[in-house]
Amino acid sequence: EAGVTQFPSHSVIEKGQTVTLRCDPISGHDNLYWYRRVMGKEIKFLLHFVKESKQDESGMPNNRFLAERTGGTYSTLKVQPAELEDSGVYFCASSLLAGTVTDTQYFGPGTRLTVL
Amino acid sequence: GESVGLHLPTLSVQEGDNSIINCAYSNSASDYFIWYKQESGKGPQFIIDIRSNMDKRQGQRVTVLLNKTVKHLSLQIAATQPGDSAVYFCAEGQAGTALIFGKGTTLSVSS
Repeated sequence: EAGVTQFPSHSVIEKGQTVTLRCDPISGHDNLYWYRRVMGKEIKFLLHFVKESKQDESGMPNNRFLAERTGGTYSTLKVQPAELEDSGVYFCASSLLAGTVTDTQYFGPGTRLTVL
Repeated sequence: GESVGLHLPTLSVQEGDNSIINCAYSNSASDYFIWYKQESGKGPQFIIDIRSNMDKRQGQRVTVLLNKTVKHLSLQIAATQPGDSAVYFCAEGQAGTALIFGKGTTLSVSS
């Protein structure tokens, strides 16, 4: 079974540009999460989807970030316009069922975003 | 705010030694705890988890201990190997919610 995949693996853009990150969760997983790790800091939660609905977006830093999960399958995270402080590694994770206590989150390899 | 933290940012051990990585958490409402291993260029990889109704759980060469009284979590790795070198994160959570991660401990294993 394929794991969580993310595209691209790396992205280097200039301040003010737009970048779209994509995450394909494990097939059949209802929960999809976005996290971010800024250099030297801990992994921080951004957003949680249950199927196509946003369950929790309390971690989104500001309105320059837009996440979608149309159809409840893959998700995209768009940053527009990108700022220097947006640099970091963006992880996506998925888990099988909503509301279950032993819902292990499986992570993708991450997208390393560098904003110059 | 409440967060999960790790006691040491780095840990260096010799091959064959046992490693212990510690973590403190502060959210008493958390009922699920998990350890991840992250190797360079990869995403966090699940190692082992434990629920709050347990105080110990064993896997292959790994053991997680949970002390709810002092809000402490530890990961023990038996007979540490060079392939165990990575950054280890503890995380806490509740059913179907986002995880709260600690800062990570970098484990270096020398042969």
